[in-house]
Amino acid sequence: QKEVEQNSGPLSVPEGAIASLNCTYSDRVSQSFFWYRQYSGKSPELIMSIYSNGDKEDGRFTAQLNKASQYVSLLIRDSQPSDSATYLCAVPEGPGGGADGLTFGKGTHLIIQP
Amino acid sequence: EAGVTQFPSHSVIEKGQTVTLRCDPISGHDNLYWYRRVMGKEIKFLLHFVKESKQDESGMPNNRFLAERTGGTYSTLKVQPAELEDSGVYFCASSQGGGPGYTFGSGTRLTVV
Repeated sequence: QKEVEQNSGPLSVPEGAIASLNCTYSDRVSQSFFWYRQYSGKSPELIMSIYSNGDKEDGRFTAQLNKASQYVSLLIRDSQPSDSATYLCAVPEGPGGGADGLTFGKGTHLIIQP
Repeated sequence: EAGVTQFPSHSVIEKGQTVTLRCDPISGHDNLYWYRRVMGKEIKFLLHFVKESKQDESGMPNNRFLAERTGGTYSTLKVQPAELEDSGVYFCASSQGGGPGYTFGSGTRLTVV
């Protein structure tokens, strides 16, 4: 049974600062990692995926992966109030890179304070 | 392009009753997934269809849950008889080629009283 652990928060960050969200996972063979954003009452939306150790940047978002430590993080630079949401970390259920479904963490509730 | 549509958006039923949730995926998407989030818990995978075939139903909680996707278009998830612990938000998602870039529906909030 795969497990994905996240601090549920809330994590409060002032506007313009860097928000750092962390996630650990139990299955060493996981090769793909995903970050979803979910606004209150809305559906999850994929914002980042990462497959290799190191950093992957997309606009204000940077995903960081350390497979040896089984740790993946999401950094949000220049945080905006519109970034306030729950951020979900996910790994594939099976070897299919996510095609077989995902195991999610409980999510971290991020609040950006104006 | 229309998104993934789920209905009803909310359902309140009594314990022991039957409820059927429906999901209309994005047109042309062969892969359809059902997930559930119970309050205070993480989103849990229930099952995966490829067209009309069940690819993986390992996440289905028990035999009170029945999912179908006749014709490979829309899907239904029936809960019969419903129990209190079935309360939660049921999400459907679809993708064309499989993989995590799938689109979620807005969910059905089920409350069993």
